[in-house]
Amino acid sequence: DVKVTQSSRYLVKRTGEKVFLECVQDMDHENMFWYRQDPGLGLRLIYFSYDVKMKEKGDIPEGYSVSREKKERFSLILESASTNQTSMYLCASRGTGPRYEQYFGPGTRLTVT
Amino acid sequence: DAKTTQPNSMESNEEEPVHLPCNHSTISGTDYIHWYRQLPSQGPEYVIHGLTSNVNNRMASLAIAEDRKSSTLILHRATLRDAAVYYCILRDRGAGGTSYGKLTFGQGTILTVHP
Repeated sequence: DVKVTQSSRYLVKRTGEKVFLECVQDMDHENMFWYRQDPGLGLRLIYFSYDVKMKEKGDIPEGYSVSREKKERFSLILESASTNQTSMYLCASRGTGPRYEQYFGPGTRLTVT
Repeated sequence: DAKTTQPNSMESNEEEPVHLPCNHSTISGTDYIHWYRQLPSQGPEYVIHGLTSNVNNRMASLAIAEDRKSSTLILHRATLRDAAVYYCILRDRGAGGTSYGKLTFGQGTILTVHP
């Protein structure tokens, strides 16, 4: 079974702190994604990466950056956390080829106070 | 991205079939129809996908209209564990470009299963 793990299930940070959310997948997938999920807004794509050191902005990249130094690991960085970044963050990965499903991690519930 | 329209919520009784509809009238010829579901307190999980023909797997069946403007996810015997938000998503087959693999989630259908 594909495993996508996220470093924390729950995280509480203060406004202005630098926050790192880590995601690791064990299936050698080329593509990795970061989403945030908010009530009434659904899942929205923040950033994705289709190869090591490669990244592309999603629909809502403002206030975030990402890092992919190794194929299995994709990090989401909040340079200076703000209260409007309180949300559920979901990481996903996907291989290439005819099977298109994305595999999601369990999510990190981030609260910025 | 082409959009999908789903009912906000549906209800079912345990062990009965459930038909979850999805309209996608602006679907293009290269769009695959994907279904994901999200159980409470979990990340979304893949359910099924198809292009033109009906598809079956261990979780569900996908019935696609002949004109591809709508589809229906069928759970043959709903269980309490099937209570989730179900998302119908269109995804380009991948003509190239780095958007390959990106999913755009809508609001989905909240399925409630009664014992």
